[in-house]
Amino acid sequence: GENVEQHPSTLSVQEGDSAVIKCTYSDSASNYFPWYKQELGKRPQLIIDIRSNVGEKKDQRIAVTLNKTAKHFSLHITETQPEDSAVYFCAPNMFSGGYNKLIFGAGTRLAVHP
Amino acid sequence: EAGVVQSPRYKIIEKKQPVAFWCNPISGHNTLYWYRQNLGQGPELLIRYENEEAVDDSQLPKDRFSAERLKGVDSTLKIQPAELGDSAVYLCASSLIETQYFGPGTRLLVL
Repeated sequence: GENVEQHPSTLSVQEGDSAVIKCTYSDSASNYFPWYKQELGKRPQLIIDIRSNVGEKKDQRIAVTLNKTAKHFSLHITETQPEDSAVYFCAPNMFSGGYNKLIFGAGTRLAVHP
Repeated sequence: EAGVVQSPRYKIIEKKQPVAFWCNPISGHNTLYWYRQNLGQGPELLIRYENEEAVDDSQLPKDRFSAERLKGVDSTLKIQPAELGDSAVYLCASSLIETQYFGPGTRLLVL
């Protein structure tokens, strides 16, 4: 069956440091890899995504890298700020129950301390 | 551009009562999703619509859950009767191609 794992489950950094969250998936046919940010009590918001024909994508302080061979992709946040504190979910598309769908990881709780 | 709209935002009911959630997707988005998010977990897909057609309801507990998307725009998700374990946030999302945009969710508490 489908399997998505995120590490670490919690991450605490000082403001200005970098944060890296890794997502491992099981479906070798996955070709779409988004990251969502969810603040407490708010909706999940897409912050960056990548497709399988690209190895890396960057948007200001946020980047995503993909290793299709090893079946993992990572979220990189540089120069972290307190407003980056949230739960981050990876959600690769995977074939499950006969359909292609996003399978969300369990989330990584990031705390950025001033 | 307006985002995905959901109502109500909060709902408290007693077990065995019915409850319904409403979703209005982003204009022009043909695909609509209903997810359930339990506390401390990621969203899990319940059902996906392409226009009016439910194309993936494999995770929908059909004995008590039902959904409809009349005219291919708004959608309603219903639970009847609700159980204690149904307490969760019910999220609606929509997409044009692949990127999914979420609504604020309905937080359901079943007592």
